[in-house]
Amino acid sequence: AQKVTQAQTEISVVEKEDVTLDCVYETRDTTYYLFWYKQPPSGELVFLIRRNSFDEQNEISGRYSWNFQKSTSSFNFTITASQVVDSAVYFCALSDLKSGGSYIPTFGRGTSLIVHP
Amino acid sequence: EAGVAQSPRYKIIEKRQSVAFWCNPISGHATLYWYQQILGQGPKLLIQFQNNGVVDDSQLPKDRFSAERLKGVDSTLKIQPAKLEDSAVYLCASSLFVSGETQYFGPGTRLLVL
Repeated sequence: AQKVTQAQTEISVVEKEDVTLDCVYETRDTTYYLFWYKQPPSGELVFLIRRNSFDEQNEISGRYSWNFQKSTSSFNFTITASQVVDSAVYFCALSDLKSGGSYIPTFGRGTSLIVHP
Repeated sequence: EAGVAQSPRYKIIEKRQSVAFWCNPISGHATLYWYQQILGQGPKLLIQFQNNGVVDDSQLPKDRFSAERLKGVDSTLKIQPAKLEDSAVYLCASSLFVSGETQYFGPGTRLLVL
């Protein structure tokens, strides 16, 4: 079973529309960490946000916001008033404990966001 | 602060040849990661080092892939011999510690095996 599921392979919107990228994760740990990364066409992964499992407070950073819900194992990402520069592949990732006591990261397959002018 | 450095940026080889990639993490970062990202997929962790010790290498194809981080700073990932399916981007990342810390990624090495 996939530990991180990003069911939306590709989303296409017109500039200024709001868009939500879904992320569902699976873990048995009580302590874990969730991340979102952006991969623009240049290819380098850019860190957006990190959340630990004990902090369910939603976060807003400019046009970006994140909704963490442990009850549904989801960590969704919303871009408000999208812009062409938001076009990229967005990855959700989970770090949880493997045997041996180390946190090991797992990435989802990514959602490609295309914002049309 | 300098980011994660990787070289080369691009490499084209023929199958059965060998290839090596180099990564220099952010200064002071104890943990270093190598990922393989096949086109259209998310990064897959190959190996994770903390200082010069291996934390996890469960997804490293050890019959052909090897990695080392001898002095706990920079690292080399080698493929020998390469197969067509090894064509991918190889990403290096580093983090301050290992416990769920944020990873910072390098630009990647794009490998094409013909």
